[in-house]
Amino acid sequence: QSVLTQPPSVSAAPGQKVTISCSGSSSNIGSNYVSWYQQLPGTAPKLLIYDNHKRPSGIPDRFSGSKFGTSATLGITGPQTGDEADYYCATWDRSLSVVVFGGGTKLTVL
Amino acid sequence: QVTLKESGPVLVKPTETLTLTCTVSGFSLSNSRMGVSWIRQPPGKALEWLAHIFLNEEKSYSTSLKSRLTISRDTSKGQVVLTMTNVDPSDTATYYCARILRDYDVLTGYYNTYYFDYWGQGTLVTVSS
Repeated sequence: QSVLTQPPSVSAAPGQKVTISCSGSSSNIGSNYVSWYQQLPGTAPKLLIYDNHKRPSGIPDRFSGSKFGTSATLGITGPQTGDEADYYCATWDRSLSVVVFGGGTKLTVL
Repeated sequence: QVTLKESGPVLVKPTETLTLTCTVSGFSLSNSRMGVSWIRQPPGKALEWLAHIFLNEEKSYSTSLKSRLTISRDTSKGQVVLTMTNVDPSDTATYYCARILRDYDVLTGYYNTYYFDYWGQGTLVTVSS
């Protein structure tokens, strides 16, 4: 059971916008920045979003992040088949003094 | 160019101690903002953070695994080592090391952002007799 809650799967048609939610509590998302990771099949995770909404160099602006209260959201505009992957949110939990991950969300592009 | 590479045994027997090494290059373990974390992923399951270490020997461990984990670093060699005692088949997983960055919030007096910007390729460790 992950500390951060994500939907197990989402799907979207090419050209649609898809969002992935990440729900936590005041001790983690509510008081710290959130990061998001993309894990393509058989590969290591890759940083997509940090500090709630910032994109590392090389990450296209189709990927966006936001946070409100104790929840965060990853948005993907115009998902492509190459975006089919597992997506994870993560943050620091101040009460536990640990990094916590979400359970991951599998994106399917129809 | 920042790189991290995990090394260690492919197969470990139950009750044995697992020792994994992360060799880093392209950044210094002497930077207070940068550390190294270990994260694992059992087959078909989610990522699980295990531990991290920063410059000043500040260490944190997973609550559930704290009694079995030890993380250490050798700055001169550019290596971070994770040991896990008394392994069990449930410890079978791909183990990743990653560079972790953090930033200090002067208003709150806390580090309030932690994220992993570079990852190793991972190493699959199987625990079986």
